[in-house]
Amino acid sequence: GDSVTQMEGPVTLSEEAFLTINCTYTATGYPSLFWYVQYPGEGLQLLLKATKADDKGSNKGFEATYRKETTSFHLEKGSVQVSDSAVYFCALSEGVIQGAQKLVFGQGTRLTINP
Amino acid sequence: EAQVTQNPRYLITVTGKKLTVTCSQNMNHEYMSWYRQDPGLGLRQIYYSMNVEVTDKGDVPEGYKVSRKEKRNFPLILESPSPNQTSLYFCASRRLAGGTDTQYFGPGTRLTVL
Repeated sequence: GDSVTQMEGPVTLSEEAFLTINCTYTATGYPSLFWYVQYPGEGLQLLLKATKADDKGSNKGFEATYRKETTSFHLEKGSVQVSDSAVYFCALSEGVIQGAQKLVFGQGTRLTINP
Repeated sequence: EAQVTQNPRYLITVTGKKLTVTCSQNMNHEYMSWYRQDPGLGLRQIYYSMNVEVTDKGDVPEGYKVSRKEKRNFPLILESPSPNQTSLYFCASRRLAGGTDTQYFGPGTRLTVL
């Protein structure tokens, strides 16, 4: 079945450091790819998404590019802030309208940014 | 404000005592889903619903029931909770028509079964 693998955490960085969280996937079709963020005590919020190969999703300074050849969707940010401390989930969704439409999640990566 | 709400947010109960976690969305979404989040496992889907009176099992449905009598509500029922159902539960919804596949999540319900 479809699966998502994220780099293991926790990840601890200093403010203004460069961030990369790796995500690779296995899927039989052409999934949409997502990054969700979970701030402490809150539900998941969509951070960014990409729906086809070579698309780049971006939001709040975060970026991720859908790489079909390497089946990857790595999350990057050039200069992190303390407020970016959260758990980040990579996920995929098969199809757009038909079918089960479930999201398949990675295990999550806890990010802590120190001032 | 568009949102998904869940109640209760926190619940401690004992083995075998039936409980219901409610989920409601105000976005007129057709699709609703329940996930559980466990450390090191990410989120796993329990049940989902494509519309009123249409529900189906996800990856980990054992020990859970759902119903979808109204479009806005999708309660999760644990008929006889057990300690292995201690987890953080999330409800989510999304539109089916229109092509967007973004899911909106509720704030979560932390359940402890003693």
